[in-house]
Amino acid sequence: DQQVKQNSPSLSVQEGRISILNCDYTNSMFDYFLWYKKYPAEGPTFLISISSIKDKNEDGRFTVFLNKSAKHLSLHIVPSQPGDSAVYFCAASAESSGAGSYQLTFGKGTKLSVIP
Amino acid sequence: NAGVTQTPKFRILKIGQSMTLQCTQDMNHNYMYWYRQDPGMGLKLIYYSVGAGITDKGEVPNGYNVSRSTTEDFPLRLELAAPSQTSVYFCASGRNQPQHFGDGTRLSIL
Repeated sequence: DQQVKQNSPSLSVQEGRISILNCDYTNSMFDYFLWYKKYPAEGPTFLISISSIKDKNEDGRFTVFLNKSAKHLSLHIVPSQPGDSAVYFCAASAESSGAGSYQLTFGKGTKLSVIP
Repeated sequence: NAGVTQTPKFRILKIGQSMTLQCTQDMNHNYMYWYRQDPGMGLKLIYYSVGAGITDKGEVPNGYNVSRSTTEDFPLRLELAAPSQTSVYFCASGRNQPQHFGDGTRLSIL
């Protein structure tokens, strides 16, 4: 049973436009969420995170929005650049649960292609 | 700036063989992790460590062992390789959640 779902395997966006990557979760114990970017033949790179006490976190061109009632989060990239082309993973953890707080549950990823 | 270094990058093993995947970090992070990624799937946690001498099981620990004798090193051991362990293995470190990943070890069991 997938607790973190990224329902779009791929997304294509024109350079300069907004990219929106979506992530849904089912476990109500999740209270900390992260996004990672992965290029081929490399390890993932941490991008941005958000705690459940917030509904938005911004870092440069990257913004993550969290809708707790819908169990949904999204990553916005504005403006999109060709170098953003990569696979993006959403991950979640139950920080306040103590023992399981280091165990991230990952989605399957969304491949973003930014077209010049 | 080495970050997290994994060796080897590629390896082919025969069923029943054993090997150790090496992982070293130079950022003095207490937390280290081993993940596996199967094709088309997200990463799954095998083992993690919150400091030297402390390790704990993740979601998919069967068939693997780890040790953490120093802050820098977190090797992953496969004792009896099985085809189901064919995967890409990532080591990561961080101040709590994983923030820095190695480039992975691609392992095939034939």
